[in-house]
Amino acid sequence: QVQLVQSGAEVKEPGASVKVSCKASGYTFNTYFIHWVRQAPGQGLDWMGITNPSSGSTSYTQKFQGRVTMTRDTSTSTVYMELSSLRSEDTAVYYCARGKSGYYYVMDVWGQGTTVTVSS
Amino acid sequence: QSVLTQSPSVSAAPGQKVTISCSGSNSNIGNNYVSWYQHLPGTAPKLLIYDNNKRPSGIPDRFSGSKSGTSATLGITGLQTGDEADYYCGTRDTSLSAYVFGTGTKVTVL
Repeated sequence: QVQLVQSGAEVKEPGASVKVSCKASGYTFNTYFIHWVRQAPGQGLDWMGITNPSSGSTSYTQKFQGRVTMTRDTSTSTVYMELSSLRSEDTAVYYCARGKSGYYYVMDVWGQGTTVTVSS
Repeated sequence: QSVLTQSPSVSAAPGQKVTISCSGSNSNIGNNYVSWYQHLPGTAPKLLIYDNNKRPSGIPDRFSGSKSGTSATLGITGLQTGDEADYYCGTRDTSLSAYVFGTGTKVTVL
């Protein structure tokens, strides 16, 4: 079945970087966009950006520009989201989500989420 | 601070109906399609509605969506205890060149 499996929880110190992986299975990897969304404790969903696994092209929301990098490894059908210069406000659950076929901005399959805790 | 505003919470008894509103502007809802997502704490969000009113395969017709001008609405009929969750609207914001989610609405089944 179609699924996205994310890497495990991370604890990082302020100023460090974190790299979260999202492994796709059950569909043709490079034909669907992948979004990244996060949810901080007590807050709502926050869209971070999107990557095209076929071309590697990316688009990031301005809030994370300069700190986020989305990459992919087509040989393992895995997409990565790296966030640098971490601060306490980056403590959140990070989700990857597949873009629905034929749609750029509809997310139809979601990963289970990865908890990132930023603390000294 | 989201550009899409939702009421913080709604509640109703089992079997009843609730509606959730999502208010935006011409740069988002007014000129783009709206999706709705259900999010139970500790689980992955689920797509309920896309293109304003279309349901993905497997989503019961108890869930419905509509859009008028710069506002969108999600309706849930025949409320069930399993519907207790947070619900988010989402759409593209042309001015921000980004996707935006609403502030979220918590549905409580009394």
